[in-house]
Amino acid sequence: SAVISQKPSRDICQRGTSLTIQCQVDSQVTMMFWYRQQPGQSLTLIATANQGSEATYESGFVIDKFPISRPNLTFSTLTVSNMSPEDSSIYLCSGITGFGGNNEQFFGPGTRLTVL
Amino acid sequence: QQPVQSPQAVILREGEDAVINCSSSKALYSVHWYRQKHGEAPVFLMILLKGGEQKGHEKISASFNEKKQQSSLYLTASQLSYSGTYFCGANNDMRFGAGTRLTVKP
Repeated sequence: SAVISQKPSRDICQRGTSLTIQCQVDSQVTMMFWYRQQPGQSLTLIATANQGSEATYESGFVIDKFPISRPNLTFSTLTVSNMSPEDSSIYLCSGITGFGGNNEQFFGPGTRLTVL
Repeated sequence: QQPVQSPQAVILREGEDAVINCSSSKALYSVHWYRQKHGEAPVFLMILLKGGEQKGHEKISASFNEKKQQSSLYLTASQLSYSGTYFCGANNDMRFGAGTRLTVKP
């Protein structure tokens, strides 16, 4: 199993600024992911964070807006750039300890972002 | 493409049963089920890996019909602690269904 922590847990930001969210795992995970969740909605996959290389983004998400880093097997960051009120959401990171479809996904507690 | 869940919401009395369905337009080789309580992160319930496989967790069990590309989650004799939103995931692409909000009332 893996325990995932995120910082900050919540933030209120001004339009046009950027926020970097940190995700730390207590053990090595093979894959890490970033999701966005609007209140009462499902989880929307933003990207797969790849160690040492560029993240793989889902349709509708671009690197300029959501740059992601993953320097090692236990840490990743997501930056929300040039924020607007539409970016207000909960951002969650997750990880799995294997490859493919037979592995439990562990989630961080989320970062609640409000953009004014 | 994300899996499709039904129903969108269920309200139960304690002790009643419920079924949540998850289907996909693509072939599935695994299905994940998660429960998320309000204000918390999703928590893993179970994975189903093979066609026809059934698994259980407490009084929560699930089946996976590979041919029909669907899975069902069965909640038996529901408890107050079962309240939350249930998500299924087709693990080949890490996407989740829209979720089923389950409310168990005393």
